[in-house]
Amino acid sequence: LAKTTQPISMDSYEGQEVNITCSHNNIATNDYITWYQQFPSQGPRFIIQGYKTKVTNEVASLFIPADRKSSTLSLPRVSLSDTAVYYCLVTTGGFKTIFGAGTRLFVKA
Amino acid sequence: GAGVSQSPRYKVTKRGQDVALRCDPISGHVSLYWYRQALGQGPEFLTYFNYEAQQDKSGLPNDRFSAERPEGSISTLTIQRTEQRDSAMYRCASSLTSGAGQETQYFGPGTRLLVL
Repeated sequence: LAKTTQPISMDSYEGQEVNITCSHNNIATNDYITWYQQFPSQGPRFIIQGYKTKVTNEVASLFIPADRKSSTLSLPRVSLSDTAVYYCLVTTGGFKTIFGAGTRLFVKA
Repeated sequence: GAGVSQSPRYKVTKRGQDVALRCDPISGHVSLYWYRQALGQGPEFLTYFNYEAQQDKSGLPNDRFSAERPEGSISTLTIQRTEQRDSAMYRCASSLTSGAGQETQYFGPGTRLLVL
């Protein structure tokens, strides 16, 4: 399974755009890139998923370069409620899922 | 139900006792995952089911841990002869399908296990 590397923590202020980059140098052809968000005392929650180029939904955007060795989760205009841990995963369908330690985002007023 | 449910939500047990943790996935979901999460860490994969078949149990720490999903729906994670190091949050997740890496996992609220 491709191992992911992402920053341990990030700080931001309300209203700013936050970009969290994840490295996955050994990603396989069949792997998808998936991001989850986890608030304290809750289970992880799916945010966004992509295979290549750019994906956007109502919560975030995901940018994936052509070589797919990294990806960037973009959160527009964060609020205090976006303070959470964000996990980057590469997933290959029905197999062992590796979460890693994630990135702790702290949004300040 | 609307989401994944787990019971009990909290379990306190004495070292050496057996515990059984239950997961009720979203109705119709094919795949079911068990994770263990220590404080401040990401979820650690334990095992995975596709319908009733246990496809991967490579994450189970040792032979005291076992899981089953006999009818392809509810699953039970059993820890025998519990030890203090087993104390953690145990999370279950389910997904609608099992193919191609595109499936979204929906997590339950977890069971907090404390072994005294």
